[in-house]
Amino acid sequence: AQSVTQPDIHITVSEGASLELRCNYSYGATPYLFWYVQSPGQGLQLLLKYFSGDTLVQGIKGFEAEFKRSQSSFNLRKPSVHWSDAAEYFCAVGPFTGTASKLTFGTGTRLQVTL
Amino acid sequence: NAGVTQTPKFQVLKTGQSMTLQCAQDMNHEYMSWYRQDPGMGLRLIHYSVGAGITDQGEVPNGYNVSRSTTEDFPLRLLSAAPSQTSVYFCASSYSRRQAEAFFGQGTRLTVV
Repeated sequence: AQSVTQPDIHITVSEGASLELRCNYSYGATPYLFWYVQSPGQGLQLLLKYFSGDTLVQGIKGFEAEFKRSQSSFNLRKPSVHWSDAAEYFCAVGPFTGTASKLTFGTGTRLQVTL
Repeated sequence: NAGVTQTPKFQVLKTGQSMTLQCAQDMNHEYMSWYRQDPGMGLRLIHYSVGAGITDQGEVPNGYNVSRSTTEDFPLRLLSAAPSQTSVYFCASSYSRRQAEAFFGQGTRLTVV
């Protein structure tokens, strides 16, 4: 069965500092990986996705993620965090067939940004 | 272009009551899904559909029914609500092609008392 682990429940960073959110997955085939962001009271917005090819993917809002097959990881990074980045972040995995109808999500990491 | 629309946004039910959460999308997406979000558990798949007339169970289907009579709509029915169904429910849709991303609605916050 597929699973996603986000080991950090809550992270606090200072505005302007760099950020890395961890995501490890377990999947029996080639995964299709996503990072979503959820602001309070809102739905989920896609930050970026990895399907194949270059293992470093760029997303919206200055985020990037690196797929490392050997470590089963897909960590999200941002070089300089803005106060507006405070939100909850979810990593998700789906089947390689590409259907986004059956995603398995991690438990989320809540990011707090201090000024 | 409204995207994925969920109604209602908030609902309070008494134990044993029934209700339907509505989900509609105007992007002509083949795939639609329902998830529930609970604190510390992320989002878990309830039911999904790969097209009109085709539905299947996800990870946590018990207590929920779905049907897909049209491409646009994918309602989620609670036949007899239980406090354990207190949650935030999200509907999502996507194209069937590879690399398609899922678009999410704004969610329905349901409380069962």
